[in-house]
Amino acid sequence: AQKITQTQPGMFVQEKEAVTLDCTYDTSDQSYGLFWYKQPSSGEMIFLIYQGSYDEQNATEGRYSLNFQKARKSANLVISASQLGDSAMYFCAMREAGGGKLIFGQGTELSVKP
Amino acid sequence: KAGVTQTPRYLIKTRGQQVTLSCSPISGHRSVSWYQQTPGQGLQFLFEYFSETQRNKGNFPGRFSGRQFSNSRSEMNVSTLELGDSALYLCASSSDRGKHTDTQYFGPGTRLTVL
Repeated sequence: AQKITQTQPGMFVQEKEAVTLDCTYDTSDQSYGLFWYKQPSSGEMIFLIYQGSYDEQNATEGRYSLNFQKARKSANLVISASQLGDSAMYFCAMREAGGGKLIFGQGTELSVKP
Repeated sequence: KAGVTQTPRYLIKTRGQQVTLSCSPISGHRSVSWYQQTPGQGLQFLFEYFSETQRNKGNFPGRFSGRQFSNSRSEMNVSTLELGDSALYLCASSSDRGKHTDTQYFGPGTRLTVL
């Protein structure tokens, strides 16, 4: 069964520093997509970055990059130059081949300190 | 393009009542999914609609139902509300080419409180 594990319930980072949020996944499918979402206290889930299982390059979107290690089944999110506005919950999610539902991890609460 | 919209944003109901939540997807998106988020259970998939048909369903009781209209707008209904139904209900839409690469874009959510 597919599963997403985020082992860091909470993280602190100093403003302007980089931070890595961990995500491991379990699936028997060869084709799948991995997603990261940000959820501020307002509740809206904001899409950040996507990595496909067949993508050879790590995905990048501005200050966000994904450290994808397929053999280890990990898809860690790296946020460079943290900003105060980055304080939020971050969720890793997976979608298997054929579309369908997203499976989410439990999330990591990131706090950026000034 | 306008994002996913959900109405109402906040709702307070009492046990035993029923509630209907509405979701308007991004223009051109035909797939709408619903998720329930609670502190204890996290984010759980409720159901997915595509072209007015329910395509996937999560493990929720029959009190939870939904539908999709021809303009892709979707509603979900919860009957005989229980205290445990208090949650943030999130709607997501995608262009849905039927692939795992399709990104789901979420609305702001409806926060339901059951008293």
